[in-house]
Amino acid sequence: AAGVIQSPRHLIKEKRETATLKCYPIPRHDTVYWYQQGPGQDPQFLISFYEKMQSDKGSIPDRFSAQQFSDYHSELNMSSLELGDSALYFCASSRRSINYGYTFGSGTRLTVV
Amino acid sequence: SQKIEQNSEALNIQEGKTATLTCNYTNYSPAYLQWYRQDPGRGPVFLLLIRENEKEKRKERLKVTFDTTLKQSLFHITASQPADSATYLCALDPGGNYQLIWGAGTKLIIKP
Repeated sequence: AAGVIQSPRHLIKEKRETATLKCYPIPRHDTVYWYQQGPGQDPQFLISFYEKMQSDKGSIPDRFSAQQFSDYHSELNMSSLELGDSALYFCASSRRSINYGYTFGSGTRLTVV
Repeated sequence: SQKIEQNSEALNIQEGKTATLTCNYTNYSPAYLQWYRQDPGRGPVFLLLIRENEKEKRKERLKVTFDTTLKQSLFHITASQPADSATYLCALDPGGNYQLIWGAGTKLIIKP
């Protein structure tokens, strides 16, 4: 069965650079979520989209933005990267009408040097 | 605001025994509560969902209970195996808007 696809798996950027993370949700899932997870921490919610419209916003810095496209894939854009942005970034998708939980991608490990 | 508390200390269990993990929450009871497993460097994997009107839910060797009076959910793994070693996260939707908040997770170590 198809899962949530994230790319790239690993990304190394320098401070002040820009990064773009991509997410391809499971077909027919109507909601996409972005999370940031530091070492030993629980996932921190960044932003979500429902049917391609932004639905909720969490602790997403102003330097970050995200969008969901007509084909339902989503991108997280991160600018003016800081060392503290180094983390695992997960995308998850779900169907709101069915409480079967979120399906997470394998994540993108971003390292800012 | 709603908070979730999970035991931050690692839980060491002998293989074959039952592992029990605890998830406590504050404030009002959510409509449902979920449990996930996370391996290092990987995304959380959904295991079980239990609704507020359900006392218990089972799936193979897994059992989840939900006590809205105690504001607590227990997650049990019976006949534990070393392959069950992972971090287990509890999550709930406080507002009923499909937006989960997460516990920090409990690391479970099953010793052979």
